[in-house]
Amino acid sequence: AQSVTQLDSQVPVFEEAPVELRCNYSSSVSVYLFWYVQYPNQGLQLLLKYLSGSTLVKGINGFEAEFNKSQTSFHLRKPSVHISDTAEYFCAVSRKAAGNKLTFGGGTRVLVKP
Amino acid sequence: NAGVTQTPKFRVLKTGQSMTLLCAQDMNHEYMYWYRQDPGMGLRLIHYSVGEGTTAKGEVPDGYNVSRLKKQNFLLGLESAAPSQTSVYFCASSWTGTFASGANVLTFGAGSRLTVL
Repeated sequence: AQSVTQLDSQVPVFEEAPVELRCNYSSSVSVYLFWYVQYPNQGLQLLLKYLSGSTLVKGINGFEAEFNKSQTSFHLRKPSVHISDTAEYFCAVSRKAAGNKLTFGGGTRVLVKP
Repeated sequence: NAGVTQTPKFRVLKTGQSMTLLCAQDMNHEYMYWYRQDPGMGLRLIHYSVGEGTTAKGEVPDGYNVSRLKKQNFLLGLESAAPSQTSVYFCASSWTGTFASGANVLTFGAGSRLTVL
């Protein structure tokens, strides 16, 4: 079975500052990796995904993530955050052979301060 | 295009009561899922379905039942609610196909907040 660890439960950050959200996973097989975002009182929506190829993945709203196989990490970054980025962010993995089932991390709540 | 619709959005139950959460999707997706979200634990898979008439257990299935009688609907039932089932429940759906073509991307509903007293 695979597992996902998001190392920070909360990340306060000032507007226009950079942010990095850390995600580590464990799996005995190759995986696909995802970041989802949940804005207040809404469902989750996809930010970006890594399936194969380039290890640097760009997503919506200026976010990007880098897959590091040796460190089993998939950290999410944004060089300059906006107030509207205040949300909870979830890292998720899926085994390549496991269909569409996702295993989620515990989430990181980002609070952007003016 | 409504996407994934969950009803009800809020519900308060007493211990021992039963209820059903309804999930409906209009995207002709084959796969449907029920997750629960609890603080600090992310989303955990309760049950899922890979097609009409099929269901399977996820990570935390105890105390829940599901049915997928129609492709567009996925029902989650609680036969005898317990306070431990207080949570926010999310339904999601996705389509089959190759991962590279975009399968494995889940579309989520807005959630159903359930409180069991």
